Amino acid sequence: KNQVEQSPQSLIILEGKNCTLQCNYTVSPFSNLRWYKQDTGRGPVSLTIMTFSENTKSNGRYTATLDADTKQSSLHITASQLSDSASYICVVGEYGNKLVFGAGTILRVKS
Amino acid sequence: DAMVIQNPRYQVTQFGKPVTLSCSQTLNHNVMYWYQQKSSQAPKLLFHYYDKDFNNEADTPDNFQSRRPNTSFCFLDIRSPGLGDAAMYLCATSRGGQASNQPQHFGDGTRLSIL
Repeated sequence: KNQVEQSPQSLIILEGKNCTLQCNYTVSPFSNLRWYKQDTGRGPVSLTIMTFSENTKSNGRYTATLDADTKQSSLHITASQLSDSASYICVVGEYGNKLVFGAGTILRVKS
Repeated sequence: DAMVIQNPRYQVTQFGKPVTLSCSQTLNHNVMYWYQQKSSQAPKLLFHYYDKDFNNEADTPDNFQSRRPNTSFCFLDIRSPGLGDAAMYLCATSRGGQASNQPQHFGDGTRLSIL
């Protein structure tokens, strides 16, 4: 069964610190992997999309990595800000078919 | 700015009373999606339109229907809402379908409450 698992479920960090969120998937065949940021009460916003041939992609302070061999991805947030507090959702595209959503990691940045 | 707009942001309806949620887009994307998201869960795809072609997910209840009168607008109709239908409903658009490498653009959702 195609699944996307994210860890940790939730995370609290101090403002200015870095953090890394994990995403493991079993989706096959693989097409792409996306990271979205969802603020409370808002819709998800796309951060990065990576295809099979890409192993890293950055969007400002957000850097996503992809290891298609081990079927793992990470989202690294550098120098966190209060506005980074949100749910981060990993989504994996099944080739020629559907998107499979993870349950998300809830990040809280404290001052 | 080009965007996806959902109205209303908050909707309250009575048990069993039909309700319609609306979504409009200025991105001119050919694909529009409706998702249901319950608290602390991932969005769950209900159905999508690829141009005028309607694609229903196998596990979407018959109680949920959709209309897309033109490229810009899409509606979600819930014929007889039950308490279990209380959720955030998200509309999204993309250029190309789920199988493409194009990002989805989401609206800010409509939070539906059932009395």
